[in-house]
Amino acid sequence: KNEVEQSPQNLTAQEGEFITINCSYSVGISALHWLQQHPGGGIVSLFMLSSGKKKHGRLIATINIQEKHSSLHITASHPRDSAVYICAVNPDKLIFGTGTRLQVFP
Amino acid sequence: DAGVIQSPRHEVTEMGQEVTLRCKPISGHNSLFWYRQTMMRGLELLIYFNNNVPIDDSGMPEDRFSAKMPNASFSTLKIQPSEPRDSAVYFCASSLARVDEQYFGPGTRLTVT
Repeated sequence: KNEVEQSPQNLTAQEGEFITINCSYSVGISALHWLQQHPGGGIVSLFMLSSGKKKHGRLIATINIQEKHSSLHITASHPRDSAVYICAVNPDKLIFGTGTRLQVFP
Repeated sequence: DAGVIQSPRHEVTEMGQEVTLRCKPISGHNSLFWYRQTMMRGLELLIYFNNNVPIDDSGMPEDRFSAKMPNASFSTLKIQPSEPRDSAVYFCASSLARVDEQYFGPGTRLTVT
């Protein structure tokens, strides 16, 4: 069993929909990261969090340390949100999930 | 700041050749990470440095791989000899501290034929 599990693996949505991507992990961590990888391949850090909730624009990330679970929400999704979203946890070094491929259609 | 800089962006080489990938971290960042991404295995940490010192190289696949960080502004990842299974995208990332937001370079796409 992978130490970091993401769901769903693939997600399609219509523009404007509310999107949720989930991440569960099985190890003790000091932080959890959400990354975005665009079709061109570049990787951007969206959030790093160790408790509670963070918001940046239309993106919201939450984490429940007791349940070892995090969610990434996208409100009012847009085609430019189409990317692979990767959850990574940091016990002492980053361990990555396999990613969620999101496609948002106009 | 220009962000994390990697070179070359693309490298095609023949099996058995030596390959050197280069990384310049963001100025002031104390931690540097080398990652490999393949379709089969996703993203994997190869090695990371803190204050130019290698801290964890347990992800380095085998002795053919080596990494150095001679100063705070430069790191190399070397593969000698290269093999087709080394074909992947290699990312370098840096952060202010070991557990902190990481900034990724654009990656080097390596193809070994």
